[in-house]
Order: sequence, then structure tokens, then C-alpha cells
Amino acid sequence: NQLTQSPSTVFASVGDRVIITCRASYNINEKLAWYQQKPGKAPKLLISRASLFESGVPSRFSGSGSGTEFTLTISSLQSEDFAVYYCQQNNNWPPNTFGQGTKLEIK
Amino acid sequence: QVQLVQSGSEVRKPGASVKVSCQTSGYNFANYGINWVRLAPGQGLEWVGWISSYNGDTKFAENYRDRLTMTIDTSTTTAYMELRSLKSDDTALYYCARAPPIVGGPGDHWGQGSLVTVSS
Repeated sequence: NQLTQSPSTVFASVGDRVIITCRASYNINEKLAWYQQKPGKAPKLLISRASLFESGVPSRFSGSGSGTEFTLTISSLQSEDFAVYYCQQNNNWPPNTFGQGTKLEIK
Repeated sequence: QVQLVQSGSEVRKPGASVKVSCQTSGYNFANYGINWVRLAPGQGLEWVGWISSYNGDTKFAENYRDRLTMTIDTSTTTAYMELRSLKSDDTALYYCARAPPIVGGPGDHWGQGSLVTVSS
């Protein structure tokens, strides 16, 4: 099951609203997670089951979608949000496929 | 608190093997599984495999099925990943992450990563 993220890179400013999309090649129900990874750090789980927050994740992050199309929205970018974001499916496994990643960079 | 602490960097020649450990603490080891994920230079995250600490069941990514062994030691709450017949493109950061015990799922707590370098 292939996951395609778009865009691959997004340039944005502090305060902007950013939407990252993850499309699955076939139905994965709501079995999708989102991670944030900063340079030199391990990935951090933000959202599981498409829209469920992990403890401690700021409310400016939200996830939605089901089936084959999903989005991660950051409502008002903060400086600490510049990172690489990955989606991962666990409906049709193995493997637990990752998307190719979206790099969020400062404009 | 939940912690996963991985073994240090390793350098191996092509064709050799490497074993990475992931020592866990702060939770009931038998109630979860462990995902192994890697990040190669210039690449994205790649899921490598999963082992259940509950029943020892394992699942592999197809590319690693023939040369990957995942084990657990419940007495020390440590998980291990051994990769054989190393190639230069196995050079990567290898992460362990706590996962659900029975079926596939996301990693909610991660180790710091173990760098494996394969070079002649």
C-alpha cells in the first residue's frame, strides 16, 4: 500500500496555516498516523487513527480523513514546527508503510 | 516514564552482521510490541519490522525478510534487531519504537536511534 504525501516541501512563515496531504493507494480506513521529525531527533507521534491526538501535542495540530485521503493541518505555525512530517498506515500490514515525508521550511 | 535506550554506533564491512539493542523501561514490556524503523541518508523513514513482546510474533518488510532477526529478552525488557549480509545502502539510523502488542500500529515512544555504517 503506497502513501503519497504532498507537497514534498512547503515554505511557510510563523503564523501561517499549513495543510499536508497523504493519499493512500487503497482504502486504509482510519489507520493513519502522523509524525514530526526534527534534525538529529527521533520521530515524534503527533496523531494516530487519523485524528486522535497524542498526549502533549499542541492543539494547533489536527488530523482528518478516512479511506484514501488524509490531511494534517497546523493552524498557526510556530517556530518550533519547522521539521519533516511523515504519515504512516497500519491498516494493510506488513509493511506499515510511511509516506515519503514533507519538509516544512521557513519562507 | 517510558524510555527506550538503544545501543551505540556500529561500523561494519559489507557482508558482515550487526545487532542493535533497545532497552526499555517505564512500562509493562509484555503488553506492547516493538517496531524497528530506519532512516538512511537523504531518505525518508522506512518500516523494517515488528515483534510482539506479548507472544513473540514477528512481521517483516519484504526487503529484510531473509536477513533480519528480531528477538526479545523479557527478563531484561530488551529488544534486539540483527541484520545480516550488510550492504553499503544499509547505512542508516535504526530506531526502535514501542508499538501495539498484537497488530500493526504506530510507535508512540522511540529510542534515540543507533547509527550503523557499512563501509569497506
